[in-house]
Amino acid sequence: NAGVTQTPKFRILKIGQSMTLQCTQDMNHNYMYWYRQDPGMGLKLIYYSVGAGITDKGEVPNGYNVSRSTTEDFPLRLELAAPSQTSVYFCASSRQGLYTEAFFGQGTRLTVV
Amino acid sequence: GIQVEQSPPDLILQEGANSTLRCNFSDSVNNLQWFHQNPWGQLINLFYIPSGTKQNGRLSATTVATERYSLLYISSSQTTDSGVYFCAVVTQGGSEKLVFGKGTKLTVNP
Repeated sequence: NAGVTQTPKFRILKIGQSMTLQCTQDMNHNYMYWYRQDPGMGLKLIYYSVGAGITDKGEVPNGYNVSRSTTEDFPLRLELAAPSQTSVYFCASSRQGLYTEAFFGQGTRLTVV
Repeated sequence: GIQVEQSPPDLILQEGANSTLRCNFSDSVNNLQWFHQNPWGQLINLFYIPSGTKQNGRLSATTVATERYSLLYISSSQTTDSGVYFCAVVTQGGSEKLVFGKGTKLTVNP
């Protein structure tokens, strides 16, 4: 059981480039989340999804886009990368948002130069 | 939105010591979790504990929902306990968002 899998683990982008961070889960969870963690800080919610075809903004959505075409996958798209997007990105999933445990992927460390 | 405050922000222990980490939250919650972020950055689930007490080996946690706080106890600490401990909550009232505190950085010295 792989749980939540994120790819890539590391990436360096140049300013203005675009990329997609991949996240897939094999637990048949309805809820999926994207967080970013800046150095020495807690995690801030970027976007979340309560099921296929449904997404909503979190605390820091600017500069990002998401889609949820299947239960398993929840990719995060960065358009026109900026140095402020240098961070570690975590994907998470839970069976239901309110009453169940969330499980996290291993993170993607992104540097924008 | 809900405020999640963790204390202390930093804690240094000698191996074998016990410690208590605290998480205060400003609103009623449906869901509270404790995570350990190890030195490699991985987030490890410790407890899902919206109320009551749970124990897992040397670690235990208690949430008093009516008083809006949770405690994480680490006994006989080991160097492998080092890292950052996060508390995260989901508020009542329809929010689906897991909100994190800023964490407690624990260093256990041999």
